[in-house]
Amino acid sequence: SQQGEEDPQALSIQEGENATMNCSYKTSINNLQWYRQNSGRGLVHLILIRSNEREKHSGRLRVTLDTSKKSSSLLITASRAADTASYFCATDRFTSGTYKYIFGTGTRLKVLA
Amino acid sequence: DGGITQSPKYLFRKEGQNVTLSCEQNLNHDAMYWYRQDPGQGLRLIYYSQIVNDFQKGDIAEGYSVSREKKESFPLTVTSAQKNPTAFYLCASSTPAAYEQYFGPGTRLTVT
Repeated sequence: SQQGEEDPQALSIQEGENATMNCSYKTSINNLQWYRQNSGRGLVHLILIRSNEREKHSGRLRVTLDTSKKSSSLLITASRAADTASYFCATDRFTSGTYKYIFGTGTRLKVLA
Repeated sequence: DGGITQSPKYLFRKEGQNVTLSCEQNLNHDAMYWYRQDPGQGLRLIYYSQIVNDFQKGDIAEGYSVSREKKESFPLTVTSAQKNPTAFYLCASSTPAAYEQYFGPGTRLTVT
């Protein structure tokens, strides 16, 4: 089952603009992660935000988390053509003594040069 | 270099044949995972293993099997019972705290 749903499904912007993508989830979480996937490649971890955090920064990335609304957003500032990729949120699920992660459907970002 | 390797990158099989996808890691991670990704979709968990000689079914385990005889290796067999095996398969590993997952480059399996 898909815990996270990203919005929008696809986003096209000009180089230099900011890109915002959102993730909504259904059940309570301990942390939420964002990953990037270049076409036909594996996923790369970008940032993790814990449930007791509201905002986190890493370089040009800014992640917010609103646990009351069960949503998170990823902002990429001053986008570059190299940011073109799909972006996924992943939420944790603790079952049978282990952590598993549920990935959303992703946002496909295209940055035009 | 530390990381996860998956081989081969592309794999073609005839319907009715079993096929095994390789996943090896040298990150000394205890936990390993197999995901399936269909075009334009997110990742779905097939199997995961927290420790050698132990593994658990994920959300879509039917038609798949795994083994975990060594810490470094977690091969996935796609059996003929899997009704729609054509997909992109991703292997990942993490520490027991299971926060950040490290992914391999993936294997694209095409069954005709």
